[in-house]
Amino acid sequence: NAGVTQTPKFRVLKTGQSMTLLCAQDMNHEYMYWYRQDPGMGLRLIHYSVGEGTTAKGEVPDGYNVSRLKKQNFLLGLESAAPSQTSVYFCASSYSKQPQHFGDGTRLSIL
Amino acid sequence: AQRVTQPEKLLSVFKGAPVELKCNYSYSGSPELFWYVQYSRQRLQLLLRHISRESIKGFTADLNKGETSFHLKKPFAQEEDSAMYYCALGNDYKLSFGAGTTVTVRA
Repeated sequence: NAGVTQTPKFRVLKTGQSMTLLCAQDMNHEYMYWYRQDPGMGLRLIHYSVGEGTTAKGEVPDGYNVSRLKKQNFLLGLESAAPSQTSVYFCASSYSKQPQHFGDGTRLSIL
Repeated sequence: AQRVTQPEKLLSVFKGAPVELKCNYSYSGSPELFWYVQYSRQRLQLLLRHISRESIKGFTADLNKGETSFHLKKPFAQEEDSAMYYCALGNDYKLSFGAGTTVTVRA
């Protein structure tokens, strides 16, 4: 029972590079979310999706793009990474509006 | 704007003692409030939500609209309650989290 799986778990990028974080859930949840967590702060919502083919902006969407082509997957993209995007990224899914199941997180460092 | 404040970064209690984690919020509408918990080497998970008025693992939380608070309480702390706790305020799909409180329960 995998729940929510995030890949990769760690990554180091150089400024300007691009990458995609993958989130997969096997619970048939409609709602999926991407959060970032920075030291001394709570999780902040980047983007979310209320169903396959839909995405919406959260609290801190700038510099990120997302796609939900399949119900079970929610991708987070950084087109041109910046040091300010160094963070721990969490994906979550739920059958309701608020996240219930979280992944292990992806630790991303941008040099 | 909505905001969640958890004034205590660290909280240490002895086993069997009561524990209370403070959460204050600011929000102009009718809030939906939640507590999340992350145990060591485990994933963040939903602990309880105020609309359910439930007790989970001995924890309860009462929404006090007058004081704009949603404190989490347990009368007798156990060692397995040691974890990071986050209070969160829901506004439609946008959940605002507090910075979290690390609870350590000592034997």
